[in-house]
Amino acid sequence: EAEVAQSPRYKITEKSQAVAFWCDPISGHATLYWYRQILGQGPELLVQFQDESVVDDSQLPKDRFSAERLKGVDSTLKIQPAELGDSAMYLCASSLEGSTNEKLFFGSGTQLSVL
Amino acid sequence: GNSVTQMEGPVTLSEEAFLTINCTYTATGYPSLFWYVQYPGEGLQLLLKATKADDKGSNKGFEATYRKETTSFHLEKGSVQVSDSAVYFCALSSGNTGKLIFGQGTTLQVKP
Repeated sequence: EAEVAQSPRYKITEKSQAVAFWCDPISGHATLYWYRQILGQGPELLVQFQDESVVDDSQLPKDRFSAERLKGVDSTLKIQPAELGDSAMYLCASSLEGSTNEKLFFGSGTQLSVL
Repeated sequence: GNSVTQMEGPVTLSEEAFLTINCTYTATGYPSLFWYVQYPGEGLQLLLKATKADDKGSNKGFEATYRKETTSFHLEKGSVQVSDSAVYFCALSSGNTGKLIFGQGTTLQVKP
């Protein structure tokens, strides 16, 4: 079965540094999501793309986080500067259309540790 | 706003025991409800879903019934196996974007 690819798998950085995560959704999936999962909590949506357009970034801390999906395929999430509280698992997911009843396919995530 | 509340874990059971993980939700309108499972080192996978009141989702021996009157979607399995050890997330989706709102997750550990 096709998978959502994410890299890197683990990232350790010092606070105030810049970090970037990459996601390649399942081929043909128009909708791409970035979620943040803090240890012991459920994932929370950071940003949602429909093709190359942002549909929802209401929970994205825009002073330090940015996300792009320039060609409507793969996506990059960036943090600059990183803070201690950004330590979390960053999950990418994709779906065919982004409709209410659709199954989301999740990648294995990038585990970020900020020291 | 919309939210999901799950019973706190961890839940520790012996193999072949009966499992219930409670989930309640708050939502406007008529959300779709989901259970996702996260095995160690892997991404979340859809376990089952229900899209309207009284629907029962089922998969791999797990079941959950969408109860609008009690705003609940409890996960059950009659006989758990060691391989069921994982973190289970209840989630809802409403509106037209497919965005999921997750509960905090419940860790299940099944001992032989």
